[in-house]
Amino acid sequence: QVQLVESGGGLVKPGGSLRLSCAASGFALRDHYMDWIRQAPGKGLEWIAYISSDGSIIYHADSVKGRFTISRDNAKNTLYLQMNSLTTDDTAVYYCARVYYGMDVWGQGTTVTVSS
Amino acid sequence: SYVLTQPPSVSEAPGKTATITCGGNNIGSKNVHWYQQKPGQAPVLVVYDDSDRPSGIPERFSGSNSGNTATLTISRVEAGDEADYYCQVWDSTSDHPYVFGPGTKVAVL
Repeated sequence: QVQLVESGGGLVKPGGSLRLSCAASGFALRDHYMDWIRQAPGKGLEWIAYISSDGSIIYHADSVKGRFTISRDNAKNTLYLQMNSLTTDDTAVYYCARVYYGMDVWGQGTTVTVSS
Repeated sequence: SYVLTQPPSVSEAPGKTATITCGGNNIGSKNVHWYQQKPGQAPVLVVYDDSDRPSGIPERFSGSNSGNTATLTISRVEAGDEADYYCQVWDSTSDHPYVFGPGTKVAVL
């Protein structure tokens, strides 16, 4: 079935880095624009990055611009989020989502905790 | 960037109709999507493009959009509808193209 599975979350110290992955199955990633969205504990949804199907169009939210980078490997059916210079404000559950008339498929999320 | 507003909470008795609003400047000119999120779960798309339902979403969920307000209506509310609901738009004029509303917690009394 159509599925997204995130991985790569964990505990990291302030200033550290992590790379999140989002593996797609049941559909061809190359056919879809994709997003990363995060949710801090007890807070709402925050969109953070978007990438077109071929990777030629990329947007990042101001809150992560210059620190996070979205990318994709369509041959591996995988989406990535490289996160550098992490701060405690980046602590959240990170979701990837497929764009198709809204965000129609979401992963289960991976938790990133930034703490010393 | 574009700003969306939602009431923090809405309460309704089982069997009644719950209405959640999403306010934004001339939001009627944009496509609005709605997501349901239950505790500990990922969000689920319940309405897209103002008023369409994805496969598997009950007809009790409906949407509309006009002027400065979009609305998600849940008819014949059930206990299982208790969740947070978020509206979302795509702002093509911005380099921050995706915007979520702050969310509305729906409680079934």
